Amino acid sequence: EPEVTQTPSHQVTQMGQEVILRCVPISNHLYFYWYRQILGQKVEFLVSFYNNEISEKSEIFDDQFSVERPDGSNFTLKIRSTKLEDSAMYFCASSYTSEQFFGPGTRLTVL
Amino acid sequence: EDQVTQSPEALRLQEGESSSLNCSYTVSGLRGLFWYRQDPGKGPEFLFTLYSAGEEKEKERLKATLTKKESFLHITAPKPEDSATYLCAVQAAGGYNKLIFGAGTRLAVHP
Repeated sequence: EPEVTQTPSHQVTQMGQEVILRCVPISNHLYFYWYRQILGQKVEFLVSFYNNEISEKSEIFDDQFSVERPDGSNFTLKIRSTKLEDSAMYFCASSYTSEQFFGPGTRLTVL
Repeated sequence: EDQVTQSPEALRLQEGESSSLNCSYTVSGLRGLFWYRQDPGKGPEFLFTLYSAGEEKEKERLKATLTKKESFLHITAPKPEDSATYLCAVQAAGGYNKLIFGAGTRLAVHP
């Protein structure tokens, strides 16, 4: 069964460093998303991406964040200068229509 | 403001003891309501989509129902492997595909 994959599973970084989180969505899906979940809190929407551009973003997704689909299979989230409060699980999701399928997540720890 | 509230926060059941989880929502036009299962440290796993009041979906021991203000996830004769956090999420009309999640119900089923 097709699934969304994410790498790395765990990323540890120093405050102020740049990180890139990677995702391979399900191959025939058209919409791509990033969500995050701070420990013990709700899953929060960050950004959606369709037809090679951002279709919607939340207030969390400020100028420190960017997304890219560099080729036909990968979808990345870049955080330019990480802060302590960026520590969270980051989930990639993809959909063909409305049902979104999530990857296993990347746990980002900012020290 | 679009909002999703789930109750109870936590539920402990004996194996075979049926119960229901509640998801109430306030949204400016509902496009869809989604149920996910999340195991610790993992990504949300898609269970059901409901689109209109009166709709019901079933999968094994789970049945999801929808009214104009809330959804229920009924668990019939649960087993220990049903232990997980169950998440409810909505998509609002007029927007793109972002999901707005509730905080979840942590279900523990004991033998």
